Amino acid sequence: GDSVIQMQGQVTLSENDFLFINCTYSTTGYPTLFWYVQYSGEGPQLLLQVTTANNKGSSRGFEATYDKGTTSFHLQKTSVQEIDSAVYYCAMRPNTGYQNFYFGKGTSLTVIP
Amino acid sequence: GGIITQTPKFLIGQEGQKLTLKCQQNFNHDTMYWYRQDSGKGLRLIYYSITENDLQKGDLSEGYDASREKKSSFSLTVTSAQKNEMAVFLCASSIGGNSDYTFGSGTRLLVI
Repeated sequence: GDSVIQMQGQVTLSENDFLFINCTYSTTGYPTLFWYVQYSGEGPQLLLQVTTANNKGSSRGFEATYDKGTTSFHLQKTSVQEIDSAVYYCAMRPNTGYQNFYFGKGTSLTVIP
Repeated sequence: GGIITQTPKFLIGQEGQKLTLKCQQNFNHDTMYWYRQDSGKGLRLIYYSITENDLQKGDLSEGYDASREKKSSFSLTVTSAQKNEMAVFLCASSIGGNSDYTFGSGTRLLVI
C-alpha cells in the first residue's frame, strides 16, 4: 500500500552541522514528493516539492532529490542554524486518480547555538 | 495573498461534550481537509471535501462529523470528547490535482 516512512523522530544538532533526514515512500507509479516544515505554534508550510523523478528540489538551503530507484526523498542541509529548529514532514501524493497526501510521522529538529 | 483561519485557537472541553472547530479560506480552493496531529504519530486525515457539500471520510473519521456548506468553509465536530484527550487539529486547503496544501495554524484541544 501507499505509505511514507520517516524513522528519525528527533534530531539534535549544533549550529553549522550537516542535516540529513531520511524519508522513503511506497506507492506505484510516479508520485509527487514534498517536504513541509512546521515551526512552533504554526501550521505546516511547504518547504519544497518535486514532481519529476530524479530531479532535485531546493529551498532556503535545504535540498531533496527524488530517487525513484531507492524510493527515497531524503532532506539535507549543509549547515543548519538555530532558526531551522522545527518539525519536518515528508509527504507524498500518489499519481493514480484523485489522491490525498500521505505524511510521514515527522522529525523534530533542535539546533543548539 | 490568501489565508486560512481556524477558530478557536484553543479549545477546552469536558468529557462527552460535542465540540465544533471551524475553518475558513479565501484562496477559492476547491478541496479542504481536516487532520489530527498527535506527537509521534504525524498527521492523520479525518475528513476531506472536494467541493461544496461534498464529504469524504479519512482514516480517522470515527468520532467526528464534518460539514462543507460553503466553498470557503469547512467545519469539524468532535461528537463526544474523550477525557484527557489532547491534540492539534489542522485544516488545510488545495486547488486539487497535484497542488500542494496550505495549512491553517491549528486548533489545540484539551479535554478535562
